[in-house]
Amino acid sequence: DVKVTQSSRYLVKRTGEKVFLECVQDMDHENMFWYRQDPGLGLRLIYFSYDVKMKEKGDIPEGYSVSREKKERFSLILESASTNQTSMYLCANSPLTGTGYTEAFFGQGTRLTVV
Amino acid sequence: AQKITQTQPGMFVQEKEAVTLDCTYDTSDPSYGLFWYKQPSSGEMIFLIYQGSYDQQNATEGRYSLNFQKARKSANLVISASQLGDSAMYFCAMRVYNTDKLIFGTGTRLQVFP
Repeated sequence: DVKVTQSSRYLVKRTGEKVFLECVQDMDHENMFWYRQDPGLGLRLIYFSYDVKMKEKGDIPEGYSVSREKKERFSLILESASTNQTSMYLCANSPLTGTGYTEAFFGQGTRLTVV
Repeated sequence: AQKITQTQPGMFVQEKEAVTLDCTYDTSDPSYGLFWYKQPSSGEMIFLIYQGSYDQQNATEGRYSLNFQKARKSANLVISASQLGDSAMYFCAMRVYNTDKLIFGTGTRLQVFP
């Protein structure tokens, strides 16, 4: 059974802390994505990566950074957590579009609360 | 710029009736794919259906069909014979193939009542 695993289901952090959200896939897919989901705003793309050490900004990258040192792992980093980063964070992956059918597969989500 | 618009925050439908969830998109790229996902209250994202920009026929998957009108840039999801288990959030998404970027709309919450 293919898997996209996010390290935590629920996380509570303090304002100003550095926060790491980890995503690991066993599907050998090139593309990996980080989204945040907020009521009424849908899923907004924070960053995505199409290869190891490669990254591109999404629509809302401010306050976030990412790291992809290995193909299977994509980390989202909140450099200094703030209360407005309280949200549900979803990781996804997909093969490159050149391989044809390109459905994206999602992790179970991490609900982050910053207090 | 690429954008997905879902104008229906919420929809109600009676069991066994059909329902259409609207989605319009904006891109200047000729090569793209359109997706619909379902998110039940459990939070998982479930892929439903895919339509490529060059596909000649509308996609169908069981009770789901995608009404693709390329000139109008719309990709509406039609659910036939609604079931109580169809109650969920539904997201429309687009990938433009020269960037691989995958973007989503704001979603529509569908509630099916008996």
